[in-house]
Amino acid sequence: GAGVSQSPRYKVAKRGQDVALRCDPISGHVSLFWYQQALGQGPEFLTYFQNEAQLDKSGLPSDRFFAERPEGSVSTLKIQRTQQEDSAVYLCASSLDINYGYTFGSGTRLTVV
Amino acid sequence: AQSVTQLGSHVSVSEGALVLLRCNYSSSVPPYLFWYVQYPNQGLQLLLKYTSAATLVKGINGFEAEFKKSETSFHLTKPSAHMSDAAEYFCAVSDRDDMRFGAGTRLTVKP
Repeated sequence: GAGVSQSPRYKVAKRGQDVALRCDPISGHVSLFWYQQALGQGPEFLTYFQNEAQLDKSGLPSDRFFAERPEGSVSTLKIQRTQQEDSAVYLCASSLDINYGYTFGSGTRLTVV
Repeated sequence: AQSVTQLGSHVSVSEGALVLLRCNYSSSVPPYLFWYVQYPNQGLQLLLKYTSAATLVKGINGFEAEFKKSETSFHLTKPSAHMSDAAEYFCAVSDRDDMRFGAGTRLTVKP
């Protein structure tokens, strides 16, 4: 596609509920990144894929967070047993090469109530 | 480990005045440096990037930034602010594997 697409755009979850956030990167982009952006803060790195391989997951805040990219294209970020502190905008970005920078999606705003 | 520090969480300028947003980086390898802009309820848009070519980098919307290795800085400037420049600006550094962002600077432009 022309850009990075994320869905849903907004998600309200009850505390304890599981959620799945989807990212469709730009076709051909081998690198895919997930970031968490709390209100008034900069994006915080969560995890990074190169094709289907998850090369770095050091930013995932707890074992409730899980990301996958099974076919090296679409990625899903799953959060189990959501907590209020998980409320944030989750940004996905893809990249062909670092020389071109990253292209970001519009994000998914997760609100846990 | 790499990181960036943005000096000043809020900057306010008058329309037509110079814009200067400060960014200092820390990196163990020659860095790639970026500036992104974020408008309310939108994702991040790339303004400009430094990838070891010219140290003075020109971006979109009249913005530019200069890489100064001796000062470990990559400050963003624009000669004349426009009302439409009001947004959140993020500096970022990459070691080629991933990108780390600063906390952001909110730019307000007064008429």
